[in-house]
Amino acid sequence: GAVVSQHPSWVICKSGTSVKIECRSLDFQATTMFWYRQFPKQSLMLMATSNEGSKATYEQGVEKDKFLINHASLTLSTLTVTSAHPEDSSFYICSARGTSGGNEQFFGPGTRLTVL
Amino acid sequence: GQNIDQPTEMTATEGAIVQINCTYQTSGFNGLFWYQQHAGEAPTFLSYNVLDGLEEKGRFSSFLSRSKGYSYLLLKELQMKDSASYLCAVRDRPGTYKYIFGTGTRLKVLA
Repeated sequence: GAVVSQHPSWVICKSGTSVKIECRSLDFQATTMFWYRQFPKQSLMLMATSNEGSKATYEQGVEKDKFLINHASLTLSTLTVTSAHPEDSSFYICSARGTSGGNEQFFGPGTRLTVL
Repeated sequence: GQNIDQPTEMTATEGAIVQINCTYQTSGFNGLFWYQQHAGEAPTFLSYNVLDGLEEKGRFSSFLSRSKGYSYLLLKELQMKDSASYLCAVRDRPGTYKYIFGTGTRLKVLA
């Protein structure tokens, strides 16, 4: 149980285009999902917290107009990187917290974004 | 500010025991988590401590001292597959379920 998927697993795009990354909880309902980015050999940096049916809460320094987050249902959250630039190239990971009240977050496999 | 420190890299031998330390200074404390992450993969949950003391789970144990802002992850009978990054994360307040991650420790297990 507690499986989180992400799609796509990797994407290469041209500078200036927008990229959408999906995060799904496959066998549980996720009231809260989190979006992280991770640079090579570094730890996870929280970008935003996403609650179903409400606006995402962004961490300091993260541009909400650049990283659009939509949590439309209890099993799906999307992150759209708008007008992507090479500096946005990174590993993006989502995690989800279920409705059962457990303490841990369950992480997706990540999406590697490369912007040319 | 929020600060969580771990050693950057550690090396150990197959079959040995290794202890990975984590010290934290956060505005609040509502639990500490350890995750394992293999390169290019998602972190997987290892342990959770919210009260002082040792939690044992098979080859892995985790210890917490809230008064010292300190935790460690103990890995026994090391195997080659234990080569990975180990991430310490603190939840600084109840209700949000938001983690603050440490810098991560890359462990290399040698034959």
